[in-house]
Amino acid sequence: DAMVIQNPRYQVTQFGKPVTLSCSQTLNHNVMYWYQQKSSQAPKLLFHYYDKDFNNEADTPDNFQSRRPNTSFCFLDIRSPGLGDAAMYLCATSRDPGGRNTEAFFGQGTRLTVV
Amino acid sequence: KNQVEQSPQSLIILEGKNCTLQCNYTVSPFSNLRWYKQDTGRGPVSLTIMTFSENTKSNGRYTATLDADTKQSSLHITASQLSDSASYICVVNRNYGQNFVFGPGTRLSVLP
Repeated sequence: DAMVIQNPRYQVTQFGKPVTLSCSQTLNHNVMYWYQQKSSQAPKLLFHYYDKDFNNEADTPDNFQSRRPNTSFCFLDIRSPGLGDAAMYLCATSRDPGGRNTEAFFGQGTRLTVV
Repeated sequence: KNQVEQSPQSLIILEGKNCTLQCNYTVSPFSNLRWYKQDTGRGPVSLTIMTFSENTKSNGRYTATLDADTKQSSLHITASQLSDSASYICVVNRNYGQNFVFGPGTRLSVLP
């Protein structure tokens, strides 16, 4: 059974039209991450939540926002998508941010296309 | 600077052959290292985890090694199958800060 679920799997949006990507988890993990992955590149961390504490990466554009209304759900909002924002967006969770056996569990990803 | 490098960038092998993928890292402080398999259009899935004190760990046809002194890891795939075609990503976990440092991945193609 899927433990980290992302919806939708594929999203097409218009240039400049706000879009929201969804992630839910059944693991009751404390940490939820959003990554952007472009073709043939490693995932790039945008931000993460440790419980309700929001941690933004320094180089994440202001165009990207996130919400975590409860432990299970986390949303990625792109306020004005540009062509350069087309990518795979991966949601991941981990029980804690550190530790010897810390593992990140990934969702299937949402492929965003901007037209 | 905390970095993870992988080689080769891409690899093509015939079904049934073995291969070895390499990962070098400069991440500090080191907590653990994981190898993930990412099928095209899907999220990464963990294959194996290596902690500081572990040298070798196997998971079916996958065997990972870790040399914490030289900061190198390898992933050996035995008797490759067509379904092994994917990107293999080396990820090093730090104890704090940006927790997971990703390598660029090795794109493996297994041909019949």
